[in-house]
Amino acid sequence: KQEVTQIPAALSVPEGENLVLNCSFTDSAIYNLQWFRQDPGKGLTSLLLIQSSQREQTSGRLNASLDKSSGRSTLYIAASQPGDSATYLCAAYFGNEKLTFGTGTRLTIIP
Amino acid sequence: ETGVTQSPTHLIKTRGQQVTLRCSSQSGHNTVSWYQQALGQGPQFIFQYYREEENGRGNFPPRFSGLQFPNYSSELNVNALELDDSALYLCASSLAAVTEAFFGQGTRLTVV
Repeated sequence: KQEVTQIPAALSVPEGENLVLNCSFTDSAIYNLQWFRQDPGKGLTSLLLIQSSQREQTSGRLNASLDKSSGRSTLYIAASQPGDSATYLCAAYFGNEKLTFGTGTRLTIIP
Repeated sequence: ETGVTQSPTHLIKTRGQQVTLRCSSQSGHNTVSWYQQALGQGPQFIFQYYREEENGRGNFPPRFSGLQFPNYSSELNVNALELDDSALYLCASSLAAVTEAFFGQGTRLTVV
């Protein structure tokens, strides 16, 4: 069964710290992986897409990595700010038409 | 470039009623997918439409149905609403089936 897992479910860090969010998946035949941000009660904002042939993608203070052999992806956020507080979701395409989502990590940046 | 828009943003329905949710895809995108997100959970795939044809379906009963129109906008219809249908319904559009997905702001459906 193709599954995506995100641990921990919640994380609090002081403002200014660098942090890493984790995502693991069960099927190495991943087509691509996408990271999203979701504010309470809102839709999903796409942050980064990593294709299976790539190992990293960067956008501003965000860097996402993909390791298919270990079934892991990480989202690195540099110099965290209170505005980064949100739920972060990772999702994978496993060669079919649907995105399989993790349950998310709720991030709180403490001023 | 216009993003993905969904309407309405909030909706309250009574158990047994029917509901239609609407989605306008991002300009140039011919693929629309619908997801259901229960509180505290990740979104679950309902179905996908590509050029007006259903292109895949998740584990949802037939009372969940959809349409895609020639302009690639889409509707999600749910018949015989149940209390467990209360959720945030998300629409995503993309250039093709497995390319980067862009989501709308969602429709919050409450069934009472």
